[in-house]
Amino acid sequence: DGGITQSPKYLFRKEGQNVTLSCEQNLNHDAMYWYRQDPGQGLRLIYYSQIVNDFQKGDIAEGYSVSREKKESFPLTVTSAQKNPTAFYLCASTPTGVNQPQHFGDGTRLSIL
Amino acid sequence: GQQVMQIPQYQHVQEGEDFTTYCNSSTTLSNIQWYKQRPGGHPVFLIQLVKSGEVKKQKRLTFQFGEAKKNSSLHITATQTTDVGTYFCAVPSGTYKYIFGTGTRLKVLA
Repeated sequence: DGGITQSPKYLFRKEGQNVTLSCEQNLNHDAMYWYRQDPGQGLRLIYYSQIVNDFQKGDIAEGYSVSREKKESFPLTVTSAQKNPTAFYLCASTPTGVNQPQHFGDGTRLSIL
Repeated sequence: GQQVMQIPQYQHVQEGEDFTTYCNSSTTLSNIQWYKQRPGGHPVFLIQLVKSGEVKKQKRLTFQFGEAKKNSSLHITATQTTDVGTYFCAVPSGTYKYIFGTGTRLKVLA
């Protein structure tokens, strides 16, 4: 079945450490997204990518970095510059075309040790 | 910038009661999407509304887009425990970017 796979499901980060969250999709979708969700809050956009080798900052990009070397993959790195990284991170993708529904992965829960 | 307000933030209902959540935008919208997120899960797309005054139904769920295309509502008739979760609206901000509302968390008491 097609879908979006995020790994790991749970991740712990030490102070000063960079960590990378994986997002892979086999839906042949062009656009991919990373959102951050804090407890009881909505989704805030971190980065998004419309095509391979191109991505744009969202509303809260500081302390994060991404790459889009392959259509299927959109990894997110949470750098040590992100001082409050504890959150639920969701990856999503949409098919080609405007105003398409977003398909989400199961998410990664990141915590500080 | 564009703002999306969703009310109420929380709603507790007895099973069998109705539930409504509202989404209000500061700007006119080309379309609006609704998602449901179960506790511990990820958002799942429910529906998209495009036309002014549009009303769409999915079993016990009724979605409405305002005449001015600045607001929308989701109404659930006779709630069930399976309706528990957080309901989000999402509005486009550019071609590929979406802004999500703050969500309404629904709890259904059996």
